[in-house]
Amino acid sequence: SQQGEEDPQALSIQEGENATMNCSYKTSINNLQWYRQNSGRGLVHLILIRSNEREKHSGRLRVTLDTSKKSSSLLITASRAADTASYFCATAISDQTGANNLFFGTGTRLTVIP
Amino acid sequence: EAQVTQNPRYLITVTGKKLTVTCSQNMNHEYMSWYRQDPGLGLRQIYYSMNVEVTDKGDVPEGYKVSRKEKRNFPLILESPSPNQTSLYFCASSLYRGGSDTQYFGPGTRLTVL
Repeated sequence: SQQGEEDPQALSIQEGENATMNCSYKTSINNLQWYRQNSGRGLVHLILIRSNEREKHSGRLRVTLDTSKKSSSLLITASRAADTASYFCATAISDQTGANNLFFGTGTRLTVIP
Repeated sequence: EAQVTQNPRYLITVTGKKLTVTCSQNMNHEYMSWYRQDPGLGLRQIYYSMNVEVTDKGDVPEGYKVSRKEKRNFPLILESPSPNQTSLYFCASSLYRGGSDTQYFGPGTRLTVL
């Protein structure tokens, strides 16, 4: 499978703490993206990091990418109750048609306790 | 407002009764895709389309059909639904080649096949 794998599957923290989620994958990628999903709703794009980048920031989000270890991490600093959601990593892999399809992991369920 | 819409949002049907889930985007995106989401399996791609009249199979295409006659619409067709197609379905679109940039997701269609 070309899907990524998130770790942990579930994470529960207190408001104000930092949350770290990890993603591992198996093949060469063009980029890696993180998405957020509130319960049963559509996914919302958070951040994209290209294969030649090592770190990227967006507000309270910090993403790292280590292509030698085929892994990425998403750090949410100073978490809020509103950050409670499922977080998915998605790897962009080219196929023979030239498409750059996304392969999603199974997600980390984050619960931030007020 | 830029968005991806899906209809219906909820559908309960019986085995063998043909159904269509519509997807429409108003962002003039070239790439559109269908995913299904099942507990413990994450999101898996069913079909994708890189442009009008161009469609290709994703990871789990069996039992599904799609068409792309217009740029904005990408309907998902289940000719003879079966209970194992009970799932949460998402349509997504992006400007160019799928994972090259942000994918925008619809709100989801929850399908139950009895």
